Amino acid sequence: KQEVTQIPAALSVPEGENLVLNCSFTDSAIYNLQWFRQDPGKGLTSLLLIQSSQREQTSGRLNASLDKSSGRSTLYIAASQPGDSATYLCSPSGNTGKLIFGQGTTLQVKP
Amino acid sequence: NAGVTQTPKFRILKIGQSMTLQCAQDMNHNYMYWYRQDPGMGLKLIYYSVGAGITDKGEVPNGYNVSRSTTEDFPLRLELAAPSQTSVYFCASSYRSDGYTFGSGTRLTVV
Repeated sequence: KQEVTQIPAALSVPEGENLVLNCSFTDSAIYNLQWFRQDPGKGLTSLLLIQSSQREQTSGRLNASLDKSSGRSTLYIAASQPGDSATYLCSPSGNTGKLIFGQGTTLQVKP
Repeated sequence: NAGVTQTPKFRILKIGQSMTLQCAQDMNHNYMYWYRQDPGMGLKLIYYSVGAGITDKGEVPNGYNVSRSTTEDFPLRLELAAPSQTSVYFCASSYRSDGYTFGSGTRLTVV
C-alpha cells in the first residue's frame, strides 16, 4: 500500500527565502508524481507533474525533483512571497490515475 | 471554461438522512474521482471511475455509492448519514494520470 510522508508539516519563513519541501513515498512503482497547492477552504491546484522517467520539472520559481528509486521528491520554491502561503501536497500515482496524498506541508510566508 | 463543478457547496444533514453530491466536468475527461478531506488531513479516495459505466472502490468506500451513466457526471450518494461522514468532499477529473482538475469542494456536516 502506498504511503506518503511530507516533511515538515508546517513551515513559517520571512519573505524572500528559498524553501525546500520534502516528500517520501513507500512504493517506487509509480507512473508519475504531482505537486498540488491548496489554499484555505479551496480545492487543489496542480503545480507540477513529473513523469516517472523524468528527474525534474520547473515552472517559474518552482522546481520539483523526483528520485523514484529512493521514493523521494522535493519541491523547491525560490524567493518566497506572501502569496505562496498555502498547503502543498505531493501525490504519486500509478497508471490508474488514483492519487495518494500525504498530510501536506502548510507554508506561511511573512512579509 | 467551467472545469469541475460541484453542488452543493455546503450542506447540513441529520443522522440517518441521505443525499447526493453532484459533480460535473466539461473537459471530456474519462477518469473521475471522489475524495474526502478531514480537518488537518490529506485527501482519501472514496470511489473512482475510468469511464461511463465503470466504477471502483477507493480507500474509504463504506457508506457511499456512485454511478457513472455519462462521461460528464459522477454523483456521490450518501445513505444513512453518520457523524463520521462530516468532511469536505472533492470531486476531480483527469485524462488518465494527467491534467488533474479539482472542484471547489462540498462541506458536509452531519449532526
